[in-house]
Amino acid sequence: NAGVMQNPRHLVRRRGQEARLRCSPMKGHSHVYWYRQLPEEGLKFMVYLQKENIIDESGMPKERFSAEFPKEGPSILRIQQVVRGDSAAYFCASSPSRTNEQYFGPGTRLTVT
Amino acid sequence: EDKVVQSPLSLVVHEGDTVTLNCSYEVTNFRSLLWYKQEKKAPTFLFMLTSSGIEKKSGRLSSILDKKELFSILNITATQTGDSAVYLCAVGDMDSNYQLIWGAGTKLIIKP
Repeated sequence: NAGVMQNPRHLVRRRGQEARLRCSPMKGHSHVYWYRQLPEEGLKFMVYLQKENIIDESGMPKERFSAEFPKEGPSILRIQQVVRGDSAAYFCASSPSRTNEQYFGPGTRLTVT
Repeated sequence: EDKVVQSPLSLVVHEGDTVTLNCSYEVTNFRSLLWYKQEKKAPTFLFMLTSSGIEKKSGRLSSILDKKELFSILNITATQTGDSAVYLCAVGDMDSNYQLIWGAGTKLIIKP
């Protein structure tokens, strides 16, 4: 039973480019959460999605950031016109329901040069 | 405002020692408290606690929740160097779409 998959594991983008981060939840999990973690800091919630629905995006910046979880395929976190401050580790987690524990993917480390 | 506070922020002990990590919380409508271990990668799930006074145990790790005093502790006995990690506490709030509110973590270093 594969765990949460994220790709790419490392992503380097120049300022102004777009970054697309993908997350495939564990089999049977329909709830996906995205977190951002800066070096030496805690996890910061960004967005919570179910299939085809954004449930809570209160932690996501209003501009340049968007997320989706289509009926088919992985969840995507998209960052447009990246800036240096977007450099961080982005973790995706999934759970079978909103009341269960969340299982994390290996993360994508985004570096903006 | 909902918050989760972990203490200490960092801790250095010797192999074989026993450690106790603390997590206190203030949330509007408590649902659950979770403990995770994070090494240089993704957090891995340890425990989920929903009821007061019932200890959860896994090997040398154990945890208990006190819903009256709003805190939880994570105990690690006979520590090993492999226990070195950041231990994260998170609380689920029913009033926030069950969103997890995360503490800043306790960085535990086990010296051989």
